[in-house]
Amino acid sequence: NAGVMQNPRHLVRRRGQEARLRCSPMKGHSHVYWYRQLPEEGLKFMVYLQKENIIDESGMPKERFSAEFPKEGPSILRIQQVVRGDSAAYFCARFDGTGIHTGELFFGEGSRLTVL
Amino acid sequence: DAKTTQPPSMDCAEGRAANLPCNHSTISGNEYVYWYRQIHSQGPQYIIHGLKNNETNEMASLIITEDRKSSTLILPHATLRDTAVYYCIVRAQNTGTASKLTFGTGTRLQVTL
Repeated sequence: NAGVMQNPRHLVRRRGQEARLRCSPMKGHSHVYWYRQLPEEGLKFMVYLQKENIIDESGMPKERFSAEFPKEGPSILRIQQVVRGDSAAYFCARFDGTGIHTGELFFGEGSRLTVL
Repeated sequence: DAKTTQPPSMDCAEGRAANLPCNHSTISGNEYVYWYRQIHSQGPQYIIHGLKNNETNEMASLIITEDRKSSTLILPHATLRDTAVYYCIVRAQNTGTASKLTFGTGTRLQVTL
């Protein structure tokens, strides 16, 4: 899992419900990135967070989407009032710029949201 | 970040070397070449990266031309499990916001028996 745990792996919601996706990078890693992959499309950057701070949310839809990474606990991507177009795979990645690494991203297995 | 150009698809026979090209003619001096792959339905997997020297690890080799305008990812003995979409990404070494990777459409490698 490249040191990134995501859950749930699969989530089904009806239109109008809320979806919460969680991401836990391995201990000691405090930078996470969220990406979305729509069916048959490429990965699109959504948001970059450090512990307790949103650094770059340039890829986040303006409404209904929010992300946080509290001091304690996982990073959470929250989608309110889901619509069918939100059906996608959501990937979280941790950043590693320590030691020999120059800033690679290591991705989790993703959370697949299906909106009925 | 510099843009990259990759062929949309390639085939390779199992056991043979898979050579995946990438053009990045507008690369800047401080930009690295990263390769990732995404096996169906899985998260992207980091493969290798380099600046100007050729690099090799347990997964692959990366050959970067002297002018750095193109590179080739080499999987020396492709297996069926290497069937995936391969992404070539150019990005400056950095921390923070600049660390985000911009994924293009990649090359879909099909390894066949």
